[in-house]
Amino acid sequence: DQQVKQNSPSLSVQEGRISILNCDYTNSMFDYFLWYKKYPAEGPTFLISISSIKDKNEDGRFTVFLNKSAKHLSLHIVPSQPGDSAVYFCAVSGNTPLVFGKGTRLSVIA
Amino acid sequence: DADVTQTPRNRITKTGKRIMLECSQTKGHDRMYWYRQDPGLGLRLIYYSFDVKDINKGEISDGYSVSRQAQAKFSLSLESAIPNQTALYFCATSSRSSGRYNEQFFGPGTRLTVL
Repeated sequence: DQQVKQNSPSLSVQEGRISILNCDYTNSMFDYFLWYKKYPAEGPTFLISISSIKDKNEDGRFTVFLNKSAKHLSLHIVPSQPGDSAVYFCAVSGNTPLVFGKGTRLSVIA
Repeated sequence: DADVTQTPRNRITKTGKRIMLECSQTKGHDRMYWYRQDPGLGLRLIYYSFDVKDINKGEISDGYSVSRQAQAKFSLSLESAIPNQTALYFCATSSRSSGRYNEQFFGPGTRLTVL
């Protein structure tokens, strides 16, 4: 069973609009949550994170929301830009190394 | 210069061959990881090492072995490569001093094709 689910394999958004990427997890023992961004032919790069003691963390155009009761996190990108087109992975951490979701491919259309 | 380097970047080999993928880092991190990425399957952990004397199996370690030659070097070996090991392989590092929250830094990847 997948411990981390990103149910949307792909998402298309118009430039300037909001992109919302979602992630669900199964284990309430996870206490730290991260988003990574991956361009083709490159390794994933860290984007933003949140600990379980918070429900929101903001960094510029990127905001991560955590709903612990629903075991759900989301990444909001506002406004979306063509350079945001990439694959986004959510990852979760407890007492084990990171567990990654399968990724969502975001396409921002100019 | 890149903080995490992987060699080779691309490799094509035949079934049954032994292959070694190498990872080096200049970040001074104590923890290193090997992942593989397959289309539609995300990143799956193969092995990880929290220091030179500590090696642990990940989710999909069968058919792989690793060696932590030094704090800065972590190699992944495929003892007898098979076609379903065709994938993109990533090395990553993290630092214990950042807590157990594992913000990992990834290398550029090695694309391995097993014919």
